[in-house]
Amino acid sequence: AQKITQTQPGMFVQEKEAVTLDCTYDTSDPSYGLFWYKQPSSGEMIFLIYQGSYDQQNATEGRYSLNFQKARKSANLVISASQLGDSAMYFCAMREGGSSASKIIFGSGTRLSIRP
Amino acid sequence: GAVVSQHPSRVICKSGTSVKIECRSLDFQATTMFWYRQFPKKSLMLMATSNEGSKATYEQGVEKDKFLINHASLTLSTLTVTSAHPEDSSFYICSAATPLDGKNIQYFGAGTRLSVL
Repeated sequence: AQKITQTQPGMFVQEKEAVTLDCTYDTSDPSYGLFWYKQPSSGEMIFLIYQGSYDQQNATEGRYSLNFQKARKSANLVISASQLGDSAMYFCAMREGGSSASKIIFGSGTRLSIRP
Repeated sequence: GAVVSQHPSRVICKSGTSVKIECRSLDFQATTMFWYRQFPKKSLMLMATSNEGSKATYEQGVEKDKFLINHASLTLSTLTVTSAHPEDSSFYICSAATPLDGKNIQYFGAGTRLSVL
């Protein structure tokens, strides 16, 4: 069975510093996708970044990058130059297979708080 | 802009009434949509997979007669919480994967906060 683990329930970071949010996963399917979502206090789930299991390079989207270490089954999110607006819950998620009909499973989340 | 639209964003109802939540895919057809429930300070829990033109697939422990799902068109799925009770109060959120980017990224609606009095 697939599994997603986020070991950091909460993190505090000084504004403008970089922050790494940890995520490890477990699956026996060679084809899978990894996602990071941000959930501010409003509740909406905002897609941040995606990494496919066959992607050769780490995904990057603006200030977000995904440190994908396939052998270690980790997919950490790196946020560079953190901003106050980055304060939110962050969820790592995984999809087995590549179909739009494949469900995704979420980790328990990390609450990130940015200090001014 | 929004890829998935969800309505209403908030609903307050009396115990015993039924509540319908709509989830629409914008600018793309979604043969599959997903419904999640989220308790305060917890992660998202998949409730069911909504399949266009066929029955929904429910996760273990989710009462299908309590949470009715209808996916009648390629852009609309509805979740009806029947005979709602205070324990059904929660945040419900839907998602759909758009094929437009070639990666089948799942995008979420804004969620519905249900309060049952």
